[in-house]
Amino acid sequence: SQTIHQWPATLVQPVGSPLSLECTVEGTSNPNLYWYRQAAGRGLQLLFYSVGIGQISSEVPQNLSASRPQDRQFILSSKKLLLSDSGFYLCAWSVKFSSYEQYFGPGTRLTVT
Amino acid sequence: AQTVTQSQPEMSVQEAETVTLSCTYDTSENNYYLFWYKQPPSRQMILVIRQEAYKQQNATENRFSVNFQKAAKSFSLKISDSQLGDTAMYFCAFMKGTIQGAQKLVFGQGTRLTINP
Repeated sequence: SQTIHQWPATLVQPVGSPLSLECTVEGTSNPNLYWYRQAAGRGLQLLFYSVGIGQISSEVPQNLSASRPQDRQFILSSKKLLLSDSGFYLCAWSVKFSSYEQYFGPGTRLTVT
Repeated sequence: AQTVTQSQPEMSVQEAETVTLSCTYDTSENNYYLFWYKQPPSRQMILVIRQEAYKQQNATENRFSVNFQKAAKSFSLKISDSQLGDTAMYFCAFMKGTIQGAQKLVFGQGTRLTINP
């Protein structure tokens, strides 16, 4: 069966520090991968998606970047965190060309102080 | 751009009651997909139900059913015989279709549902 992992689960970082969140998927190959952010009490906003290694599409201009160095690994990064980067970050995967569901990871709670 | 609106920030019902969560969306597309996701306190996103816009029949999954009104761009979720485990945030989501094989979901703001014993 497929599983999706995210780490760390929680993170507290000072403003101006770098960020690296990691997401890995097991049990499938060549998945679509997604990064979402959920601000407090709000819905999910798609940040990035990837259809393959090295292929990243950005949905919103921001202080963050994403990379996909391996087929089942998706990384969310920042060189210098802002207070507004605080939130709950969710990684998800899906089968290509499928209109069915996306499968979400457990998420990372990021607090920028 | 597509937008999804959930007009009920919070709802509360007694266990075993039926509750309906509202969702409206705006799109010029004819073919698309709609979803309801559940986010319990654990914050794990779980798919509740899915509807294809080209299907007139409303989707059902056990105690969960939808009322899909395509002309009105409305997609409500009905939970029958509500249970304590249904307590969660519920998100309505819209998907236009695949782009380069990827699905882009647009989420509503969510409805916080509490089931009281």
